[in-house]
Amino acid sequence: DIQMTQSPSSLSASLGDRVTITCRASQSIANWLAWFQQKPGKAPKLLVSKASTLESGVPSRFSGTASGTDFTLTISSLQPDDFATYYCQQYSNYPYSFGQGTKLDIK
Amino acid sequence: QVQLVQSGAEVRKPGASVTLSCKASGYTFSRYHIHWVRQAPGQGLEWMGWINPNTGGSHYAQKFQGWVTMTRDTSLSTVYMELRSLKSDDTALFFCARSLGGLFDSWGQGTLVTVSS
Repeated sequence: DIQMTQSPSSLSASLGDRVTITCRASQSIANWLAWFQQKPGKAPKLLVSKASTLESGVPSRFSGTASGTDFTLTISSLQPDDFATYYCQQYSNYPYSFGQGTKLDIK
Repeated sequence: QVQLVQSGAEVRKPGASVTLSCKASGYTFSRYHIHWVRQAPGQGLEWMGWINPNTGGSHYAQKFQGWVTMTRDTSLSTVYMELRSLKSDDTALFFCARSLGGLFDSWGQGTLVTVSS
């Protein structure tokens, strides 16, 4: 099974800050990686697919990059609506797997 | 627009079973697999498996095999997931999600299952 190791598990930041969340796959997933944003009690929302493709309607301050088995989600300038929990997920091999999540809160 | 509407919250006693539903609208039901994802209270997301609404075929994560059964009713554009022999630590929020090529692009609102004596 593919393990997804996400870091940090929590992050405090201020409005306007640039933040980066990382995710490492235990083996090659050929960029079949998605990023989701989840707010309490709500369903996850797809932000990025194929490691770096921004979904329609997602603000351009979000971006995803890939380097081998290392993946990053960057928010260039934090806005109030961005404080949430973020998950990476590989959809290369079954069983699909998620990172442990990164809770982003206001400093 | 694409919508997945899940059934309401359920409360069960240990040992009982429960069936959750996920009704799709706004797209061709048979063209997209439906996956289920579990989220225990305060925890992360855990993939459970999928069902192909076209064929009824399914695939479950190994840890859920024997515990979960996914079915569908094409006439109602609805997918069901039965959970059996519930234990207190099965208390969780369960999401259905539409996928094409494995990518979960639309999610239901979630169904909370509480298992308590």
